[in-house]
Amino acid sequence: KNQVEQSPQSLIILEGKNCTLQCNYTVSPFSNLRWYKQDTGRGPVSLTIMTFSENTKSNGRYTATLDADTKQSSLHITASQLSDSASYICVVSANFWAGGYNKLIFGAGTRLAVHP
Amino acid sequence: GAVVSQHPSRVICKSGTSVKIECRSLDFQATTMFWYRQFPKQSLMLMATSNEGSKATYEQGVEKDKFLINHASLTLSTLTVTSAHPEDSSFYICSASKSRLSSYNSPLHFGNGTRLTVT
Repeated sequence: KNQVEQSPQSLIILEGKNCTLQCNYTVSPFSNLRWYKQDTGRGPVSLTIMTFSENTKSNGRYTATLDADTKQSSLHITASQLSDSASYICVVSANFWAGGYNKLIFGAGTRLAVHP
Repeated sequence: GAVVSQHPSRVICKSGTSVKIECRSLDFQATTMFWYRQFPKQSLMLMATSNEGSKATYEQGVEKDKFLINHASLTLSTLTVTSAHPEDSSFYICSASKSRLSSYNSPLHFGNGTRLTVT
């Protein structure tokens, strides 16, 4: 069964600190893995997209890693800011080429709160 | 960058009425659009996938007669919630892709969502 599990469910950190969010998946056939940031009441915004051949990708203070062998990904946030408070969603894409379609499997997200 | 506009952002309607939500890709042609619903503190749940000019593909458990999806052009898809009931109250989000396959080169672009409240 295709699944994406994220941990922790929620996290509180102090402004300026670093944190790491985890994503484990059992999705096949794997195409790519995406991290999104979703502010409350808004649509998700893309942070990174990685294929199986990419181990790490950065977007400003956000750095995502991918281990396709262990099917794990992490999102590291450096020097957190109050504006980083949001839900972070891991999405894994499975490509069913024979059927000619693609399926996205969403994780439940990690709710991050950055306190001053 | 690619922009997806969703309208309205909030809507309150009475039980039994129908509500239409629009999703527009402003600066690119969206071959495929997706509709999701999201309950509080939960992740997005895919409702249906629509390709321009063809019928939408609904996920299991989603009533196609209740959630009508139209994707008549490459820049516009609409979701109509028919005969809305309080249990339909949710956050509805659309996303758009330039290709039929959401590949590495065709990232998803999300609208800002519509908060539907049925009284």
